[in-house]
Amino acid sequence: DGGITQSPKYLFRKEGQNVTLSCEQNLNHDAMYWYRQDPGQGLRLIYYSQIVNDFQKGDIAEGYSVSREKKESFPLTVTSAQKNPTAFYLCATRPTLPPYEQYFGPGTRLTVT
Amino acid sequence: DQQVKQNSPSLSVQEGRISILNCDYTNSMFDYFLWYKKYPAEGPTFLISISSIKDKNEDGRFTVFLNKSAKHLSLHIVPSQPGDSAVYFCAAIRTTSGTYKYIFGTGTRLKVLA
Repeated sequence: DGGITQSPKYLFRKEGQNVTLSCEQNLNHDAMYWYRQDPGQGLRLIYYSQIVNDFQKGDIAEGYSVSREKKESFPLTVTSAQKNPTAFYLCATRPTLPPYEQYFGPGTRLTVT
Repeated sequence: DQQVKQNSPSLSVQEGRISILNCDYTNSMFDYFLWYKKYPAEGPTFLISISSIKDKNEDGRFTVFLNKSAKHLSLHIVPSQPGDSAVYFCAAIRTTSGTYKYIFGTGTRLKVLA
């Protein structure tokens, strides 16, 4: 049963704490992505990785960090430097063949108070 | 600079009728366009795609039309069903030198009335 898992579904943190969101995939896709969704906005790209041990900043990378030590895993750390961390976070993968549709995980809702 | 726009935040349609969701874009360099369906608190699910060299693609009840001269994309759902009620996102992909840039619209909330 192939897919993408994100855990936990809901996450609560106090301001000033770092928090790591998990993303695991068994689709055997090289490319993985992290997006953030806020109400009334489209998905905004935080970081992406096209291959193991390599990743690139997206449009809103400030206050976030990632690692890509394994093909299956692409964890996202939301640091205390991120000014507005409360959001819905989505992980996605991309196949190598067109039309290159991204596959999304179920998302993690992070609330920071 | 919003390169992909969905100007209608919401749409209501009677069950059995056609739903038409629209999307406009500004960059003529996009290679593929995608439509996704999203339920609350879940990840988007891929519905249908179209290449920039095509003007129509059909999959069951879903048809996507591309008008390149107008830079306009539309998704037709016929017949609409209550289970189609969700937020629909269009997305455009630009592929350049091995990189893949995805631009998403802000979504249209479709409500299908029974």
